[in-house]
Order: sequence, then structure tokens, then C-alpha cells
Amino acid sequence: DAGVTQSPTHLIKTRGQQVTLRCSPKSGHDTVSWYQQALGQGPQFIFQYYEEEERQRGNFPDRFSGHQFPNYSSELNVNALLLGDSALYLCASSLPGQGGSYEQYFGPGTRLTVT
Amino acid sequence: GEDVEQSLFLSVREGDSSVINCTYTDSSSTYLYWYKQEPGAGLQLLTYIFSNMDMKQDQRLTVLLNKKDKHLSLRIADTQTGDSAIYFCAESKNTDKLIFGTGTRLQVFP
Repeated sequence: DAGVTQSPTHLIKTRGQQVTLRCSPKSGHDTVSWYQQALGQGPQFIFQYYEEEERQRGNFPDRFSGHQFPNYSSELNVNALLLGDSALYLCASSLPGQGGSYEQYFGPGTRLTVT
Repeated sequence: GEDVEQSLFLSVREGDSSVINCTYTDSSSTYLYWYKQEPGAGLQLLTYIFSNMDMKQDQRLTVLLNKKDKHLSLRIADTQTGDSAIYFCAESKNTDKLIFGTGTRLQVFP
């Protein structure tokens, strides 16, 4: 059973550019959350998608947007990249209500470097 | 408000027990979690506890929750070098976002 997968593994972009990161959830999971982890920090919640809609959003600007597809996979888009967007972007999937535990399983992340 | 705090660093000898501590501020948190992150990797869910419990044991891991003091701890028995990693405490309310601490770096020496 494949876990959460993310692509690409690493990415280098220039300030002002746009980037798209991709995530495939764990088999059977229907909810995808995205987190940003700056170096030396804990992950910060960006947003969560369920049934192809953004269900909840953290304190991130509108430059951060996302999408969820019918197969539950998801994309994270960041426009007008800033140097401060350099971070590890983590995707997590979950199946709300499964045993009532709300466990979230994380992928390996995409390391984004903005120069 | 939402805030989770952890000590930054812990060093233990191989074979000893490790205790990693966490405090949180949101008394309405439903679940509290411990995640492990190894260098260059994503987060691995180690264990979690529901807020109406005060203890959970899973093999070498013991989680203690003091809801009154909003204090969570993770005890790792017989700590091994493979346990060296960063450990994150996190809280959530049902299907809400996870709020993470800044992580505790555990170093295990022979």
C-alpha cells in the first residue's frame, strides 16, 4: 500500500515565479492538508481540501492556492514567489472519522528553494 | 489562543529512557500527537492520545497527558541510536488543522 507521495522532491525557482507542487494521498484517504515547514521550525498549516473544496485555511496569503481532483490528489500553487517561501512543503492525507482518530499521514515533502 | 511549546534539545545515553515534554494552550484540543522527523524526511506519526485519556502506552512509547496543566510528555524506553531525530508535539480539534510545536531534537549517544 503506497503511502503519501509528493512531487517533485526538490525544486529551485527564482523570485517572482510561480510553482506547482503535487500530492497523492494514501490509498483510501479523501482529505489532503498542506503544511509549510521553514528551516528549524515546526510545520505551519496552509489549507485543507475535502471533496474538491478548500475546507479550512491557515494564515497564508492568497498567493497560496490549491486544488483537489476527483481522485483525491491535490496541487499546491504559489504565485509571485518570495525568498521567504523557501521551505519544505508537506502534504498530509487523512480519512476523517476512520476510527475517530483523525490521523494524518505525511509525505516526504518537496524542498522549495527560491533564489 | 493556539500555541505549542517544546524544549529544543535533549541528549540521552543509549539504553536510557528519554522524556520529551510539550505544553499547549488550547484547552479545547481534542487530539494530541507525537510525530518523528528524521533528517531530510517527512513526518512519521508515532502515537496520539485523545484528550479524555491521561495515558497511552505503545511498545516503547508512553504518552502522559495532564489536561489541567496542558502538559503532554513522550517517554521512550530503552532509547536507541535509531531514535535520534526531531520530535514534534501537535494538537488538533477533530478534523481541524494540526498545530505543531517547534520540535525537540533528540540526540542519542553510545
